[in-house]
Amino acid sequence: GAVVSQHPSRVICKSGTSVKIECRSLDFQATTMFWYRQFPKQSLMLMATSNEGSKATYEQGVEKDKFLINHASLTLSTLTVTSAHPEDSSFYICSAPRDSAYEQYFGPGTRLTVT
Amino acid sequence: SQKIEQNSEALNIQEGKTATLTCNYTNYSPAYLQWYRQDPGRGPVFLLLIRENEKEKRKERLKVTFDTTLKQSLFHITASQPADSATYLCALEEAGTASKLTFGTGTRLQVTL
Repeated sequence: GAVVSQHPSRVICKSGTSVKIECRSLDFQATTMFWYRQFPKQSLMLMATSNEGSKATYEQGVEKDKFLINHASLTLSTLTVTSAHPEDSSFYICSAPRDSAYEQYFGPGTRLTVT
Repeated sequence: SQKIEQNSEALNIQEGKTATLTCNYTNYSPAYLQWYRQDPGRGPVFLLLIRENEKEKRKERLKVTFDTTLKQSLFHITASQPADSATYLCALEEAGTASKLTFGTGTRLQVTL
């Protein structure tokens, strides 16, 4: 199956700093990638749709100036959490559909802890 | 309001039995319904997809049904094994949303010996 990687897998940062998370499709090109957030014992909540070559589309209630998304190439999307606060601590997961397939391939996730 | 609910937060069954998980939705018109498996601290893994005009789909020990009248999908694992223990998520994709998925609340399945 298709492979999606994320880096880093875990990150701890201080309140007020910024953190960048990378999502890469390793064996296919992805014009669209999705970013999700998952709090403990909860389901995945879609944050935004990352589009290669154009601006990301954010879900209602997600601050675009706080969660910066850049889809730099057909295999890389980045999520930058700016001025992180403890309430931003969560599990961030990206996904991408491959070709015209409808199933999505998820990255392994990034555990962010803001102290 | 729109909701996707999975029958229970946790389901415990004995090895060898069939596990049945339920996904109910309101105020959606899904073109596709998908089931994913998620292990603790990992990203979801795709299992099965069923289209709105399909009633049933099978893959090895897995079976999914889709009833658009009842607005419900059932996910069955036959001859369950301890290795099937995980959280199972249903997800809907509505037509024209360019692969955007909305996930259900998830059911944690525990298969015991």
